[in-house]
Amino acid sequence: QVQLQESGPGLVKPSQTLSLTCAVSGGFISSGGYYWSWIRQHPGKGLEWIGYIHYSGTTYYNPSLKSRLTISLDTSKNQFLLMLTSVTAADTAVYYCARVTYGGNYAFDYWGRGTLVSVSS
Amino acid sequence: DIQMTQSPSSLSASVGDRVTITCRASQSIRSYLNWYQHKPGKAPTLLIYAASTLQSGVPSRFSGSGSGTDFTLTVSGLQPEDFATYYCQQSYNTDHVTFGPGTKVDIK
Repeated sequence: QVQLQESGPGLVKPSQTLSLTCAVSGGFISSGGYYWSWIRQHPGKGLEWIGYIHYSGTTYYNPSLKSRLTISLDTSKNQFLLMLTSVTAADTAVYYCARVTYGGNYAFDYWGRGTLVSVSS
Repeated sequence: DIQMTQSPSSLSASVGDRVTITCRASQSIRSYLNWYQHKPGKAPTLLIYAASTLQSGVPSRFSGSGSGTDFTLTVSGLQPEDFATYYCQQSYNTDHVTFGPGTKVDIK
């Protein structure tokens, strides 16, 4: 059973960089057939796809975040990372990591429980 | 971008009811449509992928249909654990997947 667990600071100051880690267990991020993704949910709102990364290093980013966003892999620790620069209050959200199976219609089939990140001074 | 809409935005139902949620895409997405259930404080779960294929382990009371631009999620015989928010998601444009705004199902 694949499990994902987000971790990182719960509070980030405006203009700083938001950094989160997603630790994966029960499978290897270097396995083929998957993308590793970040999704967020603003308070009281729906789900917003942030981006994903393939084990080859190929990334796809939400165009609205692309200029501030980096998603990377750490295969030695079996985890992937999110960095979002120059944050504002609009980046306050619950951040989820998830696995995408591209053989399964590019559906997000495993998710972490999410971590709340607040942007405030 | 492919825009996704859902209707209704919320509904009230009773245990045992048949519930139908509609999802519409701004352009044809063939069958690249997935459905999720999300409960507060929990991880979202995949219910249906490719418009109508039930994810392993999901109860058979959940079903999906549609193709092109119009899709439905049906829960036949709502159970107490089904009160949640449901999202559709298009994966036709894999460079920019998008979710619907959600439909909240609560107890009447």
